[in-house]
Amino acid sequence: QVQLVQSGAEVKKPGASVKVSCKASGYTFTTYYMHWVRQAPGQGLEWMGKINPSGGSTTYAQKFLDRVTMTRDTSTSTVYMELSSLRSEDTAVYYCAREHIVSGGYLDYWGQGTLVTVSS
Amino acid sequence: DIQMTQSPSSLSAPVGDRVTITCRASQSISSFLNWYQQKPGKAPNLLIYGASSLQSGVPSRFSGSGSGTDFTLTISSLQPEDFATYYCQQGYFTPWTFGQGTKVEIK
Repeated sequence: QVQLVQSGAEVKKPGASVKVSCKASGYTFTTYYMHWVRQAPGQGLEWMGKINPSGGSTTYAQKFLDRVTMTRDTSTSTVYMELSSLRSEDTAVYYCAREHIVSGGYLDYWGQGTLVTVSS
Repeated sequence: DIQMTQSPSSLSAPVGDRVTITCRASQSISSFLNWYQQKPGKAPNLLIYGASSLQSGVPSRFSGSGSGTDFTLTISSLQPEDFATYYCQQGYFTPWTFGQGTKVEIK
């Protein structure tokens, strides 16, 4: 069965960086983009970007262009999302979710979410 | 960026009612419109993709319609497990964008 398992909760100070992992299983890793979506407490969903695990190419939302880096390790079927220069407004649950590379346009499986708290 | 506007922002309805949520895109997105259900403390769950295709395992009381800029999610007979927040999302233009959500509560 398809599973996306994310790393655990993090507490960071303003200005620090955080790296969240998402380990995929139950499907062919390189046939699905992996997206990252975040949700601040009590708020809606915000798309951050995606990575193609096959070649590693990325597309980021303009808002995060200078602070986010998405990478992947095909040997372990894991993708990573690193967000730098953290501020209090980055406190949120971060989700990974997959999209089929050919027939996509939607996110059919999601990770369980990783809470990142930014506080001094 | 494409703006996705849902209405209403919240609604209250009894079990068994027919419920309709609308989503409007700021420009045409063809049929690249998806609906998700989210319960507190959980990840979103895909209900409808491509405006009207029911995701595997989702009950048939959920349906979607529309194309271009105007879309609808309908729950034909609201069940206790359907009380949640619903989001629309466009996957036609980058960046992908979501509606602000519609919270469905028990009346």
